Amino acid sequence: SQQGEEDPQALSIQEGENATMNCSYKTSINNLQWYRQNSGRGLVHLILIRSNEREKHSGRLRVTLDTSKKSSSLLITASRAADTASYFCATYGQNFVFGPGTRLSVLP
Amino acid sequence: GAVVSQHPSWVICKSGTSVKIECRSLDFQATTMFWYRQFPKQSLMLMATSNEGSKATYEQGVEKDKFLINHASLTLSTLTVTSAHPEDSSFYICSASRGSSTDTQYFGPGTRLTVL
Repeated sequence: SQQGEEDPQALSIQEGENATMNCSYKTSINNLQWYRQNSGRGLVHLILIRSNEREKHSGRLRVTLDTSKKSSSLLITASRAADTASYFCATYGQNFVFGPGTRLSVLP
Repeated sequence: GAVVSQHPSWVICKSGTSVKIECRSLDFQATTMFWYRQFPKQSLMLMATSNEGSKATYEQGVEKDKFLINHASLTLSTLTVTSAHPEDSSFYICSASRGSSTDTQYFGPGTRLTVL
């Protein structure tokens, strides 16, 4: 079974709106990380949240982790066109596994 | 800090030839390096994990003899795709972490391999 499944697969919003992406996983983890990937480019690490943490903030990013539900969410507030990218969650438990990603489009 | 580079960024080769991709941590020592493969519009698939000075650990289904990984120093890992075929065409991304594989990984920009 696949770890780190994102939801939704694609999200289109207007500039200024908030974007929420969810990630679910199946086995126990040490940490969960969120990455951004612009089209055809490498990954950029956004934030790491450990299994004993519930929420972390970084600028306009807010990540929550609910280990009882085996889920995490990434919230991008006041989105900008430059936030258009694919966002991946990655879980580290026994292995380091990426989810399929959410393609976010922020329309100007 | 924590910059990872890859070379080349794009390589086109003929079927049957071998291609070497380099991954370097430019401003830190990488105890652990990872190699991923990504098909268009899909997520990354971990191919192997390597620790400096020891043999790489390959994920299930990844052919060790086809994808040779050498982690010769704390700043350099190489992936050699041997006897490449068109189905090996993909985006190959490396990452590096300072400590163990549970630490933050810093990703290279990726190498696009096209096998004709």
